[in-house]
Amino acid sequence: DAKTTQPPSMDCAEGRAANLPCNHSTISGNEYVYWYRQIHSQGPQYIIHGLKNNETNEMASLIITEDRKSSTLILPHATLRDTAVYYCIGRDMRFGAGTRLTVKP
Amino acid sequence: DADVTQTPRNRITKTGKRIMLECSQTKGHDRMYWYRQDPGLGLRLIYYSFDVKDINKGEISDGYSVSRQAQAKFSLSLESAIPNQTALYFCATSDLHSGRELFFGEGSRLTVL
Repeated sequence: DAKTTQPPSMDCAEGRAANLPCNHSTISGNEYVYWYRQIHSQGPQYIIHGLKNNETNEMASLIITEDRKSSTLILPHATLRDTAVYYCIGRDMRFGAGTRLTVKP
Repeated sequence: DADVTQTPRNRITKTGKRIMLECSQTKGHDRMYWYRQDPGLGLRLIYYSFDVKDINKGEISDGYSVSRQAQAKFSLSLESAIPNQTALYFCATSDLHSGRELFFGEGSRLTVL
């Protein structure tokens, strides 16, 4: 099972793209990477997941490196409501401390 | 109504008391999880269950026990609560057919005095 590593915090200007990195160098070949976000003390909300190919949905895009050792979650046009803690996790469903993204006006 | 319901939402208790947090789901998912979150920290996995007859320890199971009474119900018990178990507790569910994404309840805030 992959251990994930994320920067503790990031800032982003409103309207700009937010790029949140995650290292998962121990990921196995058939293990998906999942991204969630948590706003205040609400339950985390699923954003997107991927295996090898890049993925996109209405919330975000996920770019996974060819060697699968890292990935980047992209919020293309960040809004103030995207301020949250973002987590990437593997199939063991264990969350680290995540990245606290602050979107500034 | 929420798909994943936790009760109680808030509870204050005293050291040494037995506490049960309950989780029920209407999603028909096979897997259920209990997490704990301390202020400013991420979620830590306490226990998880892949089906009614399957219970697994997570990262921090000491001081906790669980019961999977039915596919839809997963309870977390603190046999003798202590102050450092004061935290926000989340229940979550997942299912193979939903891509294994986790669906979370609204959380149960427990304070042990």
